[in-house]
Amino acid sequence: DTAVSQTPKYLVTQMGNDKSIKCEQNLGHDTMYWYKQDSKKFLKIMFSYNNKELIINETVPNRFSPKSPDKAHLNLHINSLELGDSAVYFCASSGQETAFFGQGTRLTVV
Amino acid sequence: AQTVTQSQPEMSVQEAETVTLSCTYDTSESDYYLFWYKQPPSRQMILVIRQEAYKQQNATENRFSVNFQKAAKSFSLKISDSQLGDAAMYFCAYQGRARAGKSTFGDGTTLTVKP
Repeated sequence: DTAVSQTPKYLVTQMGNDKSIKCEQNLGHDTMYWYKQDSKKFLKIMFSYNNKELIINETVPNRFSPKSPDKAHLNLHINSLELGDSAVYFCASSGQETAFFGQGTRLTVV
Repeated sequence: AQTVTQSQPEMSVQEAETVTLSCTYDTSESDYYLFWYKQPPSRQMILVIRQEAYKQQNATENRFSVNFQKAAKSFSLKISDSQLGDAAMYFCAYQGRARAGKSTFGDGTTLTVKP
């Protein structure tokens, strides 16, 4: 009965590959996000979707493409992976206020 | 733009003692939320406490309480009777009520609890 679940938890891949991270929430929230936490633990928002529509798109390379098939899912697809993409990626969801986070996906690009 | 500043990269506390983590923020909005999140080594982001800006009363959750000073734009977290399980990175976060969907996080404070 995990509230926000994302898969996989760990992802190791070579430069140039394309990969996806999936996220699902069962809280009935309208808003979902992707955050990136870098090696220094700084947490930055990447995207936010509300009812399947993109409402926030921070300065993120267009190699990153979020996709929301329905309001319970927000997947993150990354093309042509680079070394600098290595980080922990968090999915989250919220109603009007509090955001609930998934357990994170540690992406390592080698 | 909103900013959140946590001026203490690292803090330590003796078990059973009290520690206060600092957070200041900058905003021109009058209605917003403030949060403290805990991130233990498991890396799970866990909500510790939430404060609504229009409420003057400081939020409290068991051993965790905040000192919310709206005029000073300060939002500190007090942990009483510290436990070994409190060791984690703590993030302060801001979210404008009109901007549902975007939280701004501080850079975090790593808390060490000494037995």
